[in-house]
Amino acid sequence: ETGVTQTPRHLVMGMTNKKSLKCEQHLGHNAMYWYKQSAKKPLELMFVYNFKEQTENNSVPSRFSPECPNSSHLFLHLHTLQPEDSALYLCASSQDGTEDGELFFGEGSRLTVL
Amino acid sequence: SQQGEEDPQALSIQEGENATMNCSYKTSINNLQWYRQNSGRGLVHLILIRSNEREKHSGRLRVTLDTSKKSSSLLITASRAADTASYFCATGRDDKIIFGKGTRLHILP
Repeated sequence: ETGVTQTPRHLVMGMTNKKSLKCEQHLGHNAMYWYKQSAKKPLELMFVYNFKEQTENNSVPSRFSPECPNSSHLFLHLHTLQPEDSALYLCASSQDGTEDGELFFGEGSRLTVL
Repeated sequence: SQQGEEDPQALSIQEGENATMNCSYKTSINNLQWYRQNSGRGLVHLILIRSNEREKHSGRLRVTLDTSKKSSSLLITASRAADTASYFCATGRDDKIIFGKGTRLHILP
């Protein structure tokens, strides 16, 4: 148990579907992150939220829409995805959102887009 | 780029041997972290070394940092089967933590 919980663990969706990934952290941290992990590529930072405010959007396509209603919850809303969006989506949190912080990761949501 | 690059991409060693993985990067950094990822799971933080530090230890882990060469190494001593995983370096600067592609380590029985 890492203190960061992601649901669902596995998701299969068609290109016209709308789905959401959920992340919850129980560590009292102020920053939350979405990373994308594809085969043979580095982890790609997608979004960063610090005190519920988005501080980083790493040129992510608009078909990915993040939502951070409070410091403990982070969502990634998905719509009209492409097969190349299939990947492991990892949520992480850190105390203060700086580069000095240790990242605590969830187990990931494995997404397959058909 | 700030992104670290691990070397080798894959490494297989016998249980009990030492494993060494390297990370190189291109821009100046404030710190460098190492993470482990078991297959299909989330990443777990191992150790952080700051730019003004040269070496750091944690249990069987030894990390070195050479800022003049822009490189770091992770040494795992007396490897165990449970050490089989992917290992990532992550460079920290300007409130960003950027990961490399990782080294896949396989410990043979």
